[in-house]
Amino acid sequence: AQKVTQAQTEISVVEKEDVTLDCVYETRDTTYYLFWYKQPPSGELVFLIRRNSFDEQNEISGRYSWNFQKSTSSFNFTITASQVVDSAVYFCALSDFSGGINYKLTFGKGTLLTVNP
Amino acid sequence: DTGVSQDPRHKITKRGQNVTFRCDPISEHNRLYWYRQTLGQGPEFLTYFQNEAQLEKSRLLSDRFSAERPKGSFSTLEIQRTEQGDSAMYLCASSLPRDTLYEQYFGPGTRLTVT
Repeated sequence: AQKVTQAQTEISVVEKEDVTLDCVYETRDTTYYLFWYKQPPSGELVFLIRRNSFDEQNEISGRYSWNFQKSTSSFNFTITASQVVDSAVYFCALSDFSGGINYKLTFGKGTLLTVNP
Repeated sequence: DTGVSQDPRHKITKRGQNVTFRCDPISEHNRLYWYRQTLGQGPEFLTYFQNEAQLEKSRLLSDRFSAERPKGSFSTLEIQRTEQGDSAMYLCASSLPRDTLYEQYFGPGTRLTVT
């Protein structure tokens, strides 16, 4: 069975601080994908990044960066120089290939990030 | 480019009533997913369509739930004899498969409150 754990329920930072959101996953599959989604107060999930299990290169996109480590089954997300607009719930998710066509996402419980001015 | 739309955005119903939600995916997206999200939790997979075929249903989808996608375009999710435990946000997502995995685009959700 797949599982995604986001141990941090809530994080509060002051604007311009760096913040890292942790994600640990469990899967028996050798091929899988990891995702991060953002859910602002409006409620709509916004896709941020996708990573496959064969690509452990870290990725940077503007103020966002992701650190994927298979050895520790972690896929952590760092926001550099946080801004108030980054305030949202962030979800880590996992998708496997069980059955060959099953792409459903298994989400963690999310981390509520509050960035204070 | 219009995104995934869901209707209604909010629904309040009394226990025992039936409700139906609609999801319109992004045009040409042939995969459509339904998820349920309760307060303080991440979305949980309910069911998935490829075109008009319902390919998987979660154990969360009891006999009171039924989903359809009759022409491979929009989808409906019906809950019969609603219970208070059905109160949640119901999210729809769609995607277009490519050679590598795609991302799912989510709609704004339908928030159901059962009184």
